[in-house]
Amino acid sequence: SSDLTQDPAVSVALGQTVRITCQGDSLSNFYASWYQQKPGQAPVVVNYGKNRRPSGIPDRFSGSSSGDSASLTITGAQAEDEADYYCSSRDTSGNHLVFGGGTKVTVL
Amino acid sequence: EEQLMESGGGLVKPGGSLRLSCEGSGFNFIKHTMTWVRQAPGQGLEWVSSISASGSYIYYTDSVKGRFTISRDNAENSLFLQMDSLRADDTALYYCAREDYDTSGDFFDLWGRGTLVTVSS
Repeated sequence: SSDLTQDPAVSVALGQTVRITCQGDSLSNFYASWYQQKPGQAPVVVNYGKNRRPSGIPDRFSGSSSGDSASLTITGAQAEDEADYYCSSRDTSGNHLVFGGGTKVTVL
Repeated sequence: EEQLMESGGGLVKPGGSLRLSCEGSGFNFIKHTMTWVRQAPGQGLEWVSSISASGSYIYYTDSVKGRFTISRDNAENSLFLQMDSLRADDTALYYCAREDYDTSGDFFDLWGRGTLVTVSS
């Protein structure tokens, strides 16, 4: 299967914790990467692999995986975290890439 | 500063062709797999095609196979996407992205700003 499934939208109160999930068969064999996209901007990677964060990404963004699912957790959400978040991984063949449908995070 | 800059987008009629370009600067282009990702208006991200650092390995999403051709010129730090037999559902912002990897997996660590392709009569 080549599909990655995400919840379309979640909301979180300022300073609270939100978890975004991504489910797909390929995640049993491949790590996910997570991208934040704000309106009118290109995506930015915020977490990948075994909970790795690129330089400059705050440590409130953490990743985890279990079985055929991966999660991105924002601990202590800030107003600037309001964005669309996409997971990505390889498909079960390993040759193609696939993105989840995206989750819109609203910070209340 | 590391940068990717796409160009070549525009308005084209169904069945027409376009050639997108992406120029990399500020990094060692020849070391990286490069990828095209598109985003239809108001929609999510969709992987389109990837080409390995040497150009030896090329992959396409099923919906563009046989119509799009990815290529690169490492001497010119450039990535290309030749798009033929364009359809309305190819309308999207096309991003060029650099792939990086470590022991923990691969990911896209550098993106361009995108070039808009509109297929309409």
